[in-house]
Amino acid sequence: NAGVMQNPRHLVRRRGQEARLRCSPVKGHSHVYWYRQLPEEGLKFMVYLQKENIIDESGMPKERFSAEFPKEGPSILRIQQVVRGDSAAYFCASSPGQTGRDTQYFGPGTRLTVL
Amino acid sequence: DQQVKQNSPSLSVQEGRISILNCDYTNSMFDYFLWYKKYPAEGPTFLISISSIKDKNEDGRFTVFLNKSAKHLSLHIVPSQPGDSAVYFCAASALGNNDMRFGAGTRLTVKP
Repeated sequence: NAGVMQNPRHLVRRRGQEARLRCSPVKGHSHVYWYRQLPEEGLKFMVYLQKENIIDESGMPKERFSAEFPKEGPSILRIQQVVRGDSAAYFCASSPGQTGRDTQYFGPGTRLTVL
Repeated sequence: DQQVKQNSPSLSVQEGRISILNCDYTNSMFDYFLWYKKYPAEGPTFLISISSIKDKNEDGRFTVFLNKSAKHLSLHIVPSQPGDSAVYFCAASALGNNDMRFGAGTRLTVKP
């Protein structure tokens, strides 16, 4: 998958806990996207970030979800006070340029299970 | 809102035959379309794309056809091989938008 790293691969949380999902893009890629895949559904766009900037968060739930892509280090998707409905596979993708015209390279995903 | 639809959740074909995966979209602003392939426990991998200025794009065994008037695209794999067994996602984007819209996927099984 062209070098996008996500960890952890599996994450189990109890309701009310926080979940932190990390994504290291392909070296040299400055564009990061987060997607969520619910069971039996396709990938749904959540947020698009460039270094230190959130460009588009139109797919993010308004509450409890936040994302960042600091100057140094991986991109973080943070889910506070998780609920059972947050159980899903979360995929990160990176590209060298803006989406739609540059291929996105996906990581292996983090499967979040909320008990 | 399901702007990209893959109405067949699964497809089974014999090795050596043609696989045809279909995708429909509703947003006439979409002008770039992609197919991704996903194996279990892995992220999607880019397969092939097509711009709306074309109606066909070919890459080896994979060909994507675009019918703009019908808002329909299809992926043809010929000949199909057992290693092609995976979930195939259709995706679409519009110039100026930051997100891609994905279909729900079609699980292709190629039988030896």
